[in-house]
Parts: sequence; structure tokens; C-alpha cells
Amino acid sequence: AQSVTQLDSQVPVFEEAPVELRCNYSSSVSVYLFWYVQYPNQGLQLLLKYLSGSTLVESINGFEAEFNKSQTSFHLRKPSVHISDTAEYFCAVSDGTSGTYKYIFGTGTRLKVLA
Amino acid sequence: NAGVTQTPKFQVLKTGQSMTLQCAQDMNHNSMYWYRQDPGMGLRLIYYSASEGTTDKGEVPNGYNVSRLNKREFSLRLESAAPSQTSVYFCASMKMTGAVYNSPLHFGNGTRLTVT
Repeated sequence: AQSVTQLDSQVPVFEEAPVELRCNYSSSVSVYLFWYVQYPNQGLQLLLKYLSGSTLVESINGFEAEFNKSQTSFHLRKPSVHISDTAEYFCAVSDGTSGTYKYIFGTGTRLKVLA
Repeated sequence: NAGVTQTPKFQVLKTGQSMTLQCAQDMNHNSMYWYRQDPGMGLRLIYYSASEGTTDKGEVPNGYNVSRLNKREFSLRLESAAPSQTSVYFCASMKMTGAVYNSPLHFGNGTRLTVT
């Protein structure tokens, strides 16, 4: 069965410093990969997604993630974080096999940006 | 555009009581989902409805039932609440393109349920 691992449950980082949130998934023939962000007392919102094509995908607020098939990873990065980036981030995978019905979520990483 | 709306936002139940969590989406999505979120466990799928008229079990369906009332609405019922069902419940919807799930999920803001 497909699985997603986010090894870091919490990541503290100072404002304007770079950050990397790690995500690894179990191998599959083809996968679709997503990062979602959850702000306090809200639902999850799509941050970015990899479906096919370029392995580097970007969000509108400066985050980027790189699909690495050989390492089965989809790490999320931002070169300079802001206080407003404080949130919980979830990696998710959807198996690309036709008819597969569900997304598998990681356990989440809490990013805390310190002033 | 409201997106996915969940009611109520908060609820406290006593063990053994029943309740229904309501979810409605106005994006004309065909697939709808119920997840629960618990600390350190991420999101776990309870039930889903791939299209109007169909429902299927997810990872943790025990103690829950669902109804896909129409294309817009998907409700989750707890028949006899237990403390283990204390959680935050999220409804989500998705526009399925063909038979492959590569569209993003759209989430509601959640229902925070406490069972004492």
C-alpha cells in the first residue's frame, strides 16, 4: 500500500532563513504528489502539486518542491521564510493507477517561524 | 463562493449520544470525503463518495455512517459516540477528471468534536 513519511514533526526556523520540509513516499508505478498547508483553525489548502512534466514545481508564495523519483522524495523548500508561513504542512500522494480512489497524507510538519 | 461548508464548527457530546455532521459544497464536484485529524496521525479517511449515489469505506470507518444526500451534500453520522471519536473532522471535495485522482482536494474548516 502507498505510504507517505514526514520525518520532522516540528521545524523551528528564524525569519528570513531557508527551510526544507521533508517528504518521502513509498514507490509506485506513477504517483501524483501534493503539499497542503493548514493555518490554525482552518482546513487544508493546496500549496502546490506535481502531476507530470518538470520535476520542480512552485507555489505563488515562494515555496517550491522537487520530485525525485530515484529517492522517492518530494521535499518542500523556501529560500527565505516569513512569520506568516507559520503553519502545519502536509505531504500527500495519490496513486496514479486508474481507479484508485484516495489520497494518503503524511503526519504533518509544524513549521514555526521565529522573529 | 463558499467552497466547502461544514456544520457545526464545535460540538460536545456525551458517550452514547448520536449526531450528524453536515457538509455541503457548491463547486459542482462529484467526489466527497470525510477525514479525521488527530495529533501526530495526520488525516485518516473515514468514508468517501466517488459520485452521487455511491459511498465506500476508508481506513477508519468503524463507528460511523455516511449519506450522500445529493451531489452537493455528504453527511457523517455517529450513532453512539465514544471518547475515541474525539477529533477534528474535515469534509473535502474533488472534481474527478476521468478515473484518475490527480485533482486537488478542497477542504472545509472542520468540526471540532469532543466526546466526554
